[in-house]
Amino acid sequence: DTEVTQTPKHLVMGMTNKKSLKCEQHMGHRAMYWYKQKAKKPPELMFVYSYEKLSINESVPSRFSPECPNSSLLNLHLHALQPEDSALYLCASSQELAGGPHEQYFGPGTRLTVT
Amino acid sequence: AQKVTQAQTEISVVEKEDVTLDCVYETRDTTYYLFWYKQPPSGELVFLIRRNSFDEQNEISGRYSWNFQKSTSSFNFTITASQVVDSAVYFCALRSNSGGYQKVTFGTGTKLQVIP
Repeated sequence: DTEVTQTPKHLVMGMTNKKSLKCEQHMGHRAMYWYKQKAKKPPELMFVYSYEKLSINESVPSRFSPECPNSSLLNLHLHALQPEDSALYLCASSQELAGGPHEQYFGPGTRLTVT
Repeated sequence: AQKVTQAQTEISVVEKEDVTLDCVYETRDTTYYLFWYKQPPSGELVFLIRRNSFDEQNEISGRYSWNFQKSTSSFNFTITASQVVDSAVYFCALRSNSGGYQKVTFGTGTKLQVIP
């Protein structure tokens, strides 16, 4: 099973709402990632979790709050977002093994619209 | 600093034509890894290939082939006999030790349109 699932697929939220994006993988991967992708741009790294600990935060505003409850789940909590935060949010996972970085497996993404 | 350049923003080909997508990278590290991903309109990035800096062998997988040349810092991707299903955005990516391996430097992507 090489699948990463993300829910919801689409989300429309107001600037005062609180919502959460969810990501799940059952490949035994110990690294999980959140990316933000704007139209016609490459994915931009937001957060990396390694063995359920936050290892990279790419200076993401605090209105985005990641959480890794266990090795299979990754959440992204959203609060007081701005319209410019509208984008495709991608979750990915990869192995953390010796021998260099392994390929990432991506979920289908959540298309977020902030009104 | 690391950089990946995909100079071709958009390419259109007629079905069954061959097409090559270019990727040029910059890194000071001697150990690094290169990847290609495909992003169809559905949005999900699909892994295609991983290559480390010590392995310059070219690779062929069905209609796909990759040419890695350290001398020119290039890792080009060729699709032979293109099909409509190949229409997607293709990203070349780099991971190296100075980025802690966890960071990925993506190129800006090449949008390929295969016309029937």
